[in-house]
Amino acid sequence: KNEVEQSPQNLTAQEGEFITINCSYSVGISALHWLQQHPGGGIVSLFMLSSGKKKHGRLIATINIQEKHSSLHITASHPRDSAVYICAVVLVGGTYKYIFGTGTRLKVLA
Amino acid sequence: DAGVTQSPTHLIKTRGQQVTLRCSPKSGHDTVSWYQQALGQGPQFIFQYYEEEERQRGNFPDRFSGHQFPNYSSELNVNALLLGDSALYLCASSLGQMPPLHFGNGTRLTVT
Repeated sequence: KNEVEQSPQNLTAQEGEFITINCSYSVGISALHWLQQHPGGGIVSLFMLSSGKKKHGRLIATINIQEKHSSLHITASHPRDSAVYICAVVLVGGTYKYIFGTGTRLKVLA
Repeated sequence: DAGVTQSPTHLIKTRGQQVTLRCSPKSGHDTVSWYQQALGQGPQFIFQYYEEEERQRGNFPDRFSGHQFPNYSSELNVNALLLGDSALYLCASSLGQMPPLHFGNGTRLTVT
């Protein structure tokens, strides 16, 4: 079993829909990072959070440390949101090692 | 403010050859980490360089080596290339080995 699991693996939505991507982890973490990867390969940081909730524009990220679970929500989805969304956890301890999920491939149709 | 830059963007090599990939960190960053991302998978940690030394290493063979220069830029070298080394190689930089990581656009390596 992977230490970081994402669901769903693939998601197709209609423009305007509310989207939720889930991330569960089984290790102790100091923070969790949501990343966006476009087809060209470059990775963009969306949020890094260690508790509660963060919001930026149409994106909202939440984390429940006790349940070892985080969600990324996209409101009023748009075709330009089509990308792979990756959850990465930062392990506790002095090494700040990242462990990545395999990503959720999102396609938003116009 | 320059972000993380990687070169080249694409590379095709033959089995058994050697390859060198390059990375310049985001301005102000001193730590460089390298990741390998196979198709459909999440990035896998190769190693991290800080103060010109390899500080952490993932589960990769010695064919994978690196270097960090005094200006914080870094190289990833892969010897005796295998078909399975075909992947996107991502460089990420940070300050003082601490998150968050800032990623480059990657180098796509194809081994034939």
